[in-house]
Amino acid sequence: TQLLEQSPQFLSIQEGENLTVYCNSSSVFSSLQWYRQEPGEGPVLLVTVVTGGEVKKLKRLTFQFGDARKDSSLHITAAQPGDTGLYLCAGVTGGGNKLTFGTGTQLKVEL
Amino acid sequence: AAGVIQSPRHLIKEKRETATLKCYPIPRHDTVYWYQQGPGQDPQFLISFYEKMQSDKGSIPDRFSAQQFSDYHSELNMSSLELGDSALYFCASSLAPGSTDTQYFGPGTRLTVL
Repeated sequence: TQLLEQSPQFLSIQEGENLTVYCNSSSVFSSLQWYRQEPGEGPVLLVTVVTGGEVKKLKRLTFQFGDARKDSSLHITAAQPGDTGLYLCAGVTGGGNKLTFGTGTQLKVEL
Repeated sequence: AAGVIQSPRHLIKEKRETATLKCYPIPRHDTVYWYQQGPGQDPQFLISFYEKMQSDKGSIPDRFSAQQFSDYHSELNMSSLELGDSALYFCASSLAPGSTDTQYFGPGTRLTVL
């Protein structure tokens, strides 16, 4: 059973459209991070959220951490082809510091 | 800004051989993590170190061992390699071992076992 479920798994949209990716769990996370990964490369950090209800904005990307710290969302406004990639949420739960990754969302933005 | 450095970037080995992967954390980061990512899978935590001591352990096979040195770099030693060990191996580092400390990932080492 996957601890962190992401949806959708795949998303193909046109340039200029908006989209939201969800990351859900039944567990409470001390922190949650969003990464973007290109094929064969390491995950690149986008944001870290720590406080329940926290909202962070990074240009066209808006990240939200659920009030109960069990879920998070990533919203992209006016998607561009450069946004294409694998988006991974990852969180720390329990008393340790290891990251548990979500199932991933493969985004493709076409012209 | 300096990032996590991993070497080698690519490694090809035969079954039953050994391999050593190296990781150099971001300067001033004292915590190192190792993850394994199989084809089409999300990264899975293997092991972590803080101040040269193992701080957490995940699904790391007994054939693998790792350590962190006084300069904070880390090495993952893999013996009796199997075909199933073919994967991307990532190292990450953080400023401290806390549960809210952000982990920054290196570019990875692609290990292929033939």
